Amino acid sequence: EAGVAQSPRYKIIEKRQSVAFWCNPISGHATLYWYQQILGQGPKLLIQFQNNGVVDDSQLPKDRFSAERLKGVDSTLKIQPAKLEDSAVYLCASSHPGLAGDGVRSSYNEQFFGPGTRLTVL
Amino acid sequence: LAKTTQPISMDSYEGQEVNITCSHNNIATNDYITWYQQFPSQGPRFIIQGYKTKVTNEVASLFIPADRKSSTLSLPRVSLSDTAVYYCLVGGGRGGYQKVTFGTGTKLQVIP
Repeated sequence: EAGVAQSPRYKIIEKRQSVAFWCNPISGHATLYWYQQILGQGPKLLIQFQNNGVVDDSQLPKDRFSAERLKGVDSTLKIQPAKLEDSAVYLCASSHPGLAGDGVRSSYNEQFFGPGTRLTVL
Repeated sequence: LAKTTQPISMDSYEGQEVNITCSHNNIATNDYITWYQQFPSQGPRFIIQGYKTKVTNEVASLFIPADRKSSTLSLPRVSLSDTAVYYCLVGGGRGGYQKVTFGTGTKLQVIP
């Protein structure tokens, strides 16, 4: 089974420029998450989609960040304009709400993560 | 949303058993306890999940006392490849929208 795909893997931009990240979740996974992980910290949820609807974007800096999930499959996260403090790894994850994990080898709402995109803002 | 507290870092020698405890005093009735592992330059990956008592798989064991206000991830006989950050998450019960939050995690360093 293919995992969560993300691109690009690395991106270097100057402040005030724009950047976009792409995520393709695992086939059939209705829930998609975007996280920001700053060096030395845990992942911080930016936005969560259920199919193509937003269920949580409370920590998304909406003045500069935007995300969409057209047709409930692929998703794009955009930053415009970027700031120095946006330097981080952006992780995409997907899950299936109905996954009936037993906790031993899978879990309820287990999140499967992509490799991430490392963004450096100069 | 239940808040979790876990040690920032731990060191262990190869071959030893490592126990990482997570406190979650305000855990809700529907909340599950899930542990993820993250290696450098990778996304987190699921290790184990439990609701109460004990769960064991080929990688780890999860101990949850009756009051469920804490949990302990046990890694038997760690090796250098177990060096990673371990996150304790509370929430994500079955059905509907369930929010989970990653804390700062516990950075485990396995020493030869």
